[in-house]
Amino acid sequence: EIVLTQSPGTLSLSPGERATLSCRASQSVIGNYLAWYQQKPGQAPRLLIYGTSSRATGIPDRFSGSGSGTDFTLTISRLETEDFAVYYCQQYGSSPPITFGQGTRLEIK
Amino acid sequence: EVQLVESGGGLVQPGGSLRLSCAASGFAFINSEMNWVRQAPGKGLEWISYVSSTGSLIYYADSVKGRFTISRDNAKNSLHLQMNGLRAEDTAVYFCGRALVAQVIDNWGQGTLVIVSS
Repeated sequence: EIVLTQSPGTLSLSPGERATLSCRASQSVIGNYLAWYQQKPGQAPRLLIYGTSSRATGIPDRFSGSGSGTDFTLTISRLETEDFAVYYCQQYGSSPPITFGQGTRLEIK
Repeated sequence: EVQLVESGGGLVQPGGSLRLSCAASGFAFINSEMNWVRQAPGKGLEWISYVSSTGSLIYYADSVKGRFTISRDNAKNSLHLQMNGLRAEDTAVYFCGRALVAQVIDNWGQGTLVIVSS
């Protein structure tokens, strides 16, 4: 089973700043099949990125994904207030099982 | 508009059973791969099961294998999760999700809460 470790656990930034979230896999993610989700309190997750760098439908271009192998990054170029949430990475190249990272909480500084 | 509506959650004693359902609308359910994902209170996401569009391919997480059964009724646009032998650690919000591809979930239900407690 591939273990995904996200860092940092909590990221404190201000609106307008750039956010860089990391997801490291315990072994290479096949096909770079890595997705990112955003979740706000009391809501279901929302798909942001799949296939490492493809934005899901309706996702603003301030969200971008990159990486390969075991190291992946979600970048939010200029934070808006609605971006403050918890972010999860997910690998789906070696399934089952699909695995999620433990999450990064992005909070307003 | 894609809609997924879960039902069937509630309070159950350890060792008991529940059957969750997910009613789908607004898309071609018959052509869609589906998943169940859960989230324990205050915790992260845990994928638990996948079913292909025809129901011929099914996967489970080790944590639920042998206790949970995923199924679908394409004639009724519905997804189900039969949960037997429930444990306290199964307490969570259970989400059904439509797969964009494989186990990438691009549409989620609002979730249904399952509490396993005596």
